Amino acid sequence: AQSVTQLGSHVSVSEGALVLLRCNYSSSVPPYLFWYVQYPNQGLQLLLKYTTGATLVKGINGFEAEFKKSETSFHLTKPSAHMSDAAEYFCAVSAGTGFQKLVFGTGTRLLVSP
Amino acid sequence: EPEVTQTPSHQVTQMGQEVILRCVPISNHLYFYWYRQILGQKVEFLVSFYNNEISEKSEIFDDQFSVERPDGSNFTLKIRSTKLEDSAMYFCASRKEGGAGNIQYFGAGTRLSVL
Repeated sequence: AQSVTQLGSHVSVSEGALVLLRCNYSSSVPPYLFWYVQYPNQGLQLLLKYTTGATLVKGINGFEAEFKKSETSFHLTKPSAHMSDAAEYFCAVSAGTGFQKLVFGTGTRLLVSP
Repeated sequence: EPEVTQTPSHQVTQMGQEVILRCVPISNHLYFYWYRQILGQKVEFLVSFYNNEISEKSEIFDDQFSVERPDGSNFTLKIRSTKLEDSAMYFCASRKEGGAGNIQYFGAGTRLSVL
């Protein structure tokens, strides 16, 4: 069984500040981990993914995440927030085998103030 | 860039009525999914579909739900007799093939409101 916990339903940052969105997972098999972003009235868009190999993965729009097995974490970061980053962010895990359904966290809404 | 298309964007229905939510996955994709998100809750897996049959379903996906790929392009989710608790955002997703970590592409969702 797999699960994802996202700490903080809302995170507020100032433009130019560091963005840190937290994700912890639980998985009985080696996990595949994903971050998706949802802008208003749009679908879920993949930001980045971790499957195997390098634990620091880079995604679109300057985001990156680091897979830490010992901490069962996959936190999302961006060095400098931009107003356009305001959106809902979802962390998800899949088993990487079978039909690979995604198990999502509850999401974190990122608010960026000028 | 190819995208997953869902219609309608918002569906309002009366309790007990049947609804069909429609999705057009990306054309060369082979795996199809439905997820839902009740307001304020997490996105939940409903069902996956491959090779014209259900490959996996969650406990949410009971006999009131069905999926179909009636032709080569559409993928539908039918709720036979809607309940108030079916009110949610429903997302369709598709994936190209079975490769490791192959990503799922999501549509913009259909907001279902059951009155």
